[in-house]
Amino acid sequence: AQSVTQLDSQVPVFEEAPVELRCNYSSSVSVYLFWYVQYPNQGLQLLLKYLSGSTLVKGINGFEAEFNKSQTSFHLRKPSVHISDTAEYFCAVRTPLGGNTPLVFGKGTRLSVIA
Amino acid sequence: DTAVSQTPKYLVTQMGNDKSIKCEQNLGHDTMYWYKQDSKKFLKIMFSYNNKELIINETVPNRFSPKSPDKAHLNLHINSLELGDSAVYFCASSRTSGGAYNEQFFGPGTRLTVL
Repeated sequence: AQSVTQLDSQVPVFEEAPVELRCNYSSSVSVYLFWYVQYPNQGLQLLLKYLSGSTLVKGINGFEAEFNKSQTSFHLRKPSVHISDTAEYFCAVRTPLGGNTPLVFGKGTRLSVIA
Repeated sequence: DTAVSQTPKYLVTQMGNDKSIKCEQNLGHDTMYWYKQDSKKFLKIMFSYNNKELIINETVPNRFSPKSPDKAHLNLHINSLELGDSAVYFCASSRTSGGAYNEQFFGPGTRLTVL
C-alpha cells in the first residue's frame, strides 16, 4: 500500500517570498508522483508530475518540485509567490500498474499568501 | 466547454433521504472515478470504472451505488443518507492507454450536506 504525508497543514507566506511545501511518500513499489492545486470552491488541477528522469520537474504557474529517492520526498517550491497562489495543495502518488489506478493523496497543505 | 462536469454543485438534504450525483466527461476517457473529500480536506478514492466496468470499490458502504450507463457518465446514488456522508464528492476521469502517468481530470465537486 502507498501513503503520502504532507508535513505542514498550513503555510503562511508573504507575497513575493519563496515557499516550499513538503511531501513524503511511502510505497513498496515505484510510484508516479503528482502535485495538484485546489483553488477555493473549485476542483483539482494538476500542477506537475514525475515519473523518471531528471529529478527536478517544472510545472505550471512557476512551480517546480524535486524528487529525492533516498528521502522518499517530492517537495514543491516556488521562488516568489503571488496572492493568487493562495489555495490547497495536494501531493499524490499512483502505482504504475495500469491506466486505471487511483491517486492516493496526502492530507493537503493550505498555502496562504499575505499581502 | 467543461471537461468533467457534475450536477448538482450543492445538495442539501435530510437524513434518510436518497440522492444522486451525476458526472459527465467529454474528454473521450475510458476510466472514471469518484473521490470523497471530508471536512478536513482529505481526499480518498471511492470507486473507479473502466469502460463501464467496476474496477475499484474501496470499502464504501453498500448505501453508495455507482452506475455507469456509458463511458462518458458515472453517476453516484446514495441511499438512506447519514450525517457522516456530508462531504464534497469529486468525479474524475483519465485515459487508460498510456498507463498511470496520464493525468486525471477532476470535476468541480458536489458539496453534499446532510441535515
